[in-house]
Amino acid sequence: DGGITQSPKYLFRKEGQNVTLSCEQNLNHDAMYWYRQDPGQGLRLIYYSQIVNDFQKGDIAEGYSVSREKKESFPLTVTSAQKNPTAFYLCASSTGTRYEQYFGPGTRLTVT
Amino acid sequence: AQRVTQPEKLLSVFKGAPVELKCNYSYSGSPELFWYVQYSRQRLQLLLRHISRESIKGFTADLNKGETSFHLKKPFAQEEDSAMYYCALSPNQAGTALIFGKGTTLSVSS
Repeated sequence: DGGITQSPKYLFRKEGQNVTLSCEQNLNHDAMYWYRQDPGQGLRLIYYSQIVNDFQKGDIAEGYSVSREKKESFPLTVTSAQKNPTAFYLCASSTGTRYEQYFGPGTRLTVT
Repeated sequence: AQRVTQPEKLLSVFKGAPVELKCNYSYSGSPELFWYVQYSRQRLQLLLRHISRESIKGFTADLNKGETSFHLKKPFAQEEDSAMYYCALSPNQAGTALIFGKGTTLSVSS
């Protein structure tokens, strides 16, 4: 537990607005990830980053954007182009992309 | 295609009964496999990894390369085992992320 923080815990937005979810880690991990968790869908990878200033699209990147300007931070922006943004978003980090991941507590986003 | 399949969405057992959560994978190389658990109102956490060959909270999992399976087992279920369980695969390939199954909810009742 600890080491990875996500804020806020709950977020509410109106349709058409962009919203940025925060993810910070103090584990000195190189790799960071964003997942979306929906009932019956498991965890689906949105974006991941292996090093600062570099990131790759996951399986469901459309409508999302990320940045990795600092090793400890990997914010996710849910844009108005995301057709179904209401979901639970999980951030994770690991020492490398082939190793076990450590998860944050998640942010529940509701868009109405 | 690389894939992790957990065939059961929900597994309901009584306290003291044996538990087996199934996980099958599709991968041509030698992957690393993990089980993650998410208890109610807690964050997702690593339960065990196949490479460690360890038992955590009474759970074990054996990698069967012939059957491409990594089933999670516990001989006697406890109510506190009720949670969502995810099987995950790490391809033996740099630059790729973990691949998760869709998860199985384990419900243990008395």
